Amino acid sequence: DGGITQSPKYLFRKEGQNVTLSCEQNLNHDAMYWYRQDPGQGLRLIYYSQIVNDFQKGDIAEGYSVSREKKESFPLTVTSAQKNPTAFYLCASSTFGNTIYFGEGSWLTVV
Amino acid sequence: GENVEQHPSTLSVQEGDSAVIKCTYSDSASNYFPWYKQELGKRPQLIIDIRSNVGEKKDQRIAVTLNKTAKHFSLHITETQPEDSAVYFCAVLGMNYGGSQGNLIFGKGTKLSVKP
Repeated sequence: DGGITQSPKYLFRKEGQNVTLSCEQNLNHDAMYWYRQDPGQGLRLIYYSQIVNDFQKGDIAEGYSVSREKKESFPLTVTSAQKNPTAFYLCASSTFGNTIYFGEGSWLTVV
Repeated sequence: GENVEQHPSTLSVQEGDSAVIKCTYSDSASNYFPWYKQELGKRPQLIIDIRSNVGEKKDQRIAVTLNKTAKHFSLHITETQPEDSAVYFCAVLGMNYGGSQGNLIFGKGTKLSVKP
């Protein structure tokens, strides 16, 4: 778990603004994921990537974008098209077919 | 695609009692079943997992049982303690259409409260 670093831990977004959440892992995992968690709710998959330069939409991709230019990095951009972005965002990684490990999360609040 | 149902959504037990959380899944090809514990404001952490070639696995006070025929698996916590209070998520490694491995599909979570 300690090998997945998310930043910033807390982020405030103004209306109409794009923000980017960073996720870096040093576990040499091939697959990386972004989940969104609303208060008291479960985990919803936003995007995932199984190899460099390739990624797929999850269940709630609208209003988000990602890139996977390096194996270690999978940043998530929350665009202005995401109308209700206030949530806890979790990055995760795994070796293919095995369990995923989560970063410590980033809290995003719209102000 | 895979569908995972988790019950109950909330569970309250007295300290020292046992707690059982159950999950059912739909795809008989699914082969990996982890359980995560999430404390308030923190990340989910893996507590135990089981693969489809095993029926039961134990780790101290925690055990997981898998019934492949009935397509359900359960988390058992014995001698519960207040620090076991958290939200527990089950997950299933689904299969993509065409037979390749997909992603973990999570249940909606169970909020466990252990009363001293």
